[in-house]
Amino acid sequence: SQTIHQWPATLVQPVGSPLSLECTVEGTSNPNLYWYRQAAGRGLQLLFYSVGIGQISSEVPQNLSASRPQDRQFILSSKKLLLSDSGFYLCAWTGPRAKKLFFGSGTQLSVL
Amino acid sequence: SQQGEEDPQALSIQEGENATMNCSYKTSINNLQWYRQNSGRGLVHLILIRSNEREKHSGRLRVTLDTSKKSSSLLITASRAADTASYFCATLREDSSYKLIFGSGTRLLVRP
Repeated sequence: SQTIHQWPATLVQPVGSPLSLECTVEGTSNPNLYWYRQAAGRGLQLLFYSVGIGQISSEVPQNLSASRPQDRQFILSSKKLLLSDSGFYLCAWTGPRAKKLFFGSGTQLSVL
Repeated sequence: SQQGEEDPQALSIQEGENATMNCSYKTSINNLQWYRQNSGRGLVHLILIRSNEREKHSGRLRVTLDTSKKSSSLLITASRAADTASYFCATLREDSSYKLIFGSGTRLLVRP
């Protein structure tokens, strides 16, 4: 069966520090991968999605970047965090035609 | 930008009552999906309705879709305290196979 792993669960980082969040999927090949961000009590904002290795689509200009070095690995990065980068980050995957998203358990990022 | 907007933003009902949440969207879609999120967790897929479908059932869930009004509703019948969560609609645009855009969600509280 397919599983998705996202870590860490919580992260507290100072302003200006780098960021690396990792997400891996098991049990499937060539998934579509997504990074979403959720502000407290709000909906999900699509940040990046990837349909294949090295293929990244960015939805919102921002301080973050994403990479997909392997088929089932998706990484969210920043060189210098801003206060506004705080939020709940969710990784997700889907098969063809985005019929159903499977979400990781999320990372609560606090930038202080 | 948000594709879907749910209303109400918050809903409080007594156990046993029905809960109805609505979602409106802006563009033509391939499908519309509903997800549930418990506080601080990832989202879980509930049900998908295709653009050529008008109604779908799954257990105590009933989803309707009106493409002429660009709206959908989620009905939870005979609610239980365990249904307390946030509910989000997500749309897959007709011109995309990958981008699932989420609304701002409805926070449902079911009082025992």
